[in-house]
Amino acid sequence: EAQVTQNPRYLITVTGKKLTVTCSQNMNHEYMSWYRQDPGLGLRQIYYSMNVEVTDKGDVPEGYKVSRKEKRNFPLILESPSPNQTSLYFCASSLTGTVSSGANVLTFGAGSRLTVL
Amino acid sequence: SQKIEQNSEALNIQEGKTATLTCNYTNYSPAYLQWYRQDPGRGPVFLLLIRENEKEKRKERLKVTFDTTLKQSLFHITASQPADSATYLCAPEGYGQNFVFGPGTRLSVLP
Repeated sequence: EAQVTQNPRYLITVTGKKLTVTCSQNMNHEYMSWYRQDPGLGLRQIYYSMNVEVTDKGDVPEGYKVSRKEKRNFPLILESPSPNQTSLYFCASSLTGTVSSGANVLTFGAGSRLTVL
Repeated sequence: SQKIEQNSEALNIQEGKTATLTCNYTNYSPAYLQWYRQDPGRGPVFLLLIRENEKEKRKERLKVTFDTTLKQSLFHITASQPADSATYLCAPEGYGQNFVFGPGTRLSVLP
């Protein structure tokens, strides 16, 4: 089944304890992206990747890191989590990130709910 | 900067009626616009894509229009059912490689 898989689905952690949220897709998609969703603020893009070894900042990158060493994986790293990073996180992928192609329909993962105490 | 607005945070309608959701954008001219459905606690799911040269697009009970002059897209669900209750997100093509989403409208279809 074509899908985007995120882990963990739920996590409670404490301020300053490094954590990684994994994301994997099995569709050979070039484009991958991380979003956070907060009440009243909608979906906001954190980082995206056009392809292996190519990453760039979205609208809210502060406090996050990403890497894209393999095409299928795009982990989100919180080096020193803080309470304002408590949120619902989504990973998404698309065949291509080329805007003009019109082929960039996003497939989302099920979400990871993170609480930082 | 880009700004995307969706008509209301929540919309309640009676089963069988047509639901109409609005998406307005400012400060840019997207070549296409997408609509997604999101159920509580789950990731958004793609529904429809409409291009700037397509005035209207249909899929079963769904219809989307795209008015580039008004900078607006309308999303219609005809013969609405309680199962259509969800949050609907519009996503005009963003700048560069940035997918941009509106805040969403939470639709409740009452039996």
